[in-house]
Amino acid sequence: DQQVKQNSPSLSVQEGRISILNCDYTNSMFDYFLWYKKYPAEGPTFLISISSIKDKNEDGRFTVFLNKSAKHLSLHIVPSQPGDSAVYFCAAQGNSGGSNYKLTFGKGTLLTVNP
Amino acid sequence: GAGVSQSPSNKVTEKGKDVELRCDPISGHTALYWYRQSLGQGLEFLIYFQGNSAPDKSGLPSDRFSAERTGGSVSTLTIQRTQQEDSAVYLCASRSYNEQFFGPGTRLTVL
Repeated sequence: DQQVKQNSPSLSVQEGRISILNCDYTNSMFDYFLWYKKYPAEGPTFLISISSIKDKNEDGRFTVFLNKSAKHLSLHIVPSQPGDSAVYFCAAQGNSGGSNYKLTFGKGTLLTVNP
Repeated sequence: GAGVSQSPSNKVTEKGKDVELRCDPISGHTALYWYRQSLGQGLEFLIYFQGNSAPDKSGLPSDRFSAERTGGSVSTLTIQRTQQEDSAVYLCASRSYNEQFFGPGTRLTVL
């Protein structure tokens, strides 16, 4: 039973346009959400995060939006660049009380930005 | 500075053999995690170490899997009597505050 879902396995956009990657979650105990970017043969690298007390967090070209009532978050990349081509993972962290900060990941979305 | 390193980068083994995967976390990070990514899947939590506390083993899929962390630094993930379904990329991460830093992973192939 997947608690974090990325329903689009792939997305293709033109350079300069906006990329929107979506993520849904089912566990209402999740209170912190992260996006990781992964290139082939490398480990995931942290991109941006958002706490459940916020609905938006922006960092340069990257913005994450959180809709708690819909249990939905999205990552916007504007403008998209060819170097953004990678697999993007949505991850969630719960307030388990044990504070182990373990992450629950979606299956990832392969973003391809075409020149 | 040095990031998280893992060895080997690739491991091919025969079904039934034991394997050991190694993780060197970032110096000073007290929290260490193992995840695995099977083909077409997201990363799946396996085990978590925090300082001298008892590890959280809740993600280990079977008793063939075990891990240890010696001296609060290097960690070894051991898979005994490997099965073909163990084939995956095994990723290690160490944590600073609320951010986990991942190693490049070990790609394990069980023939």
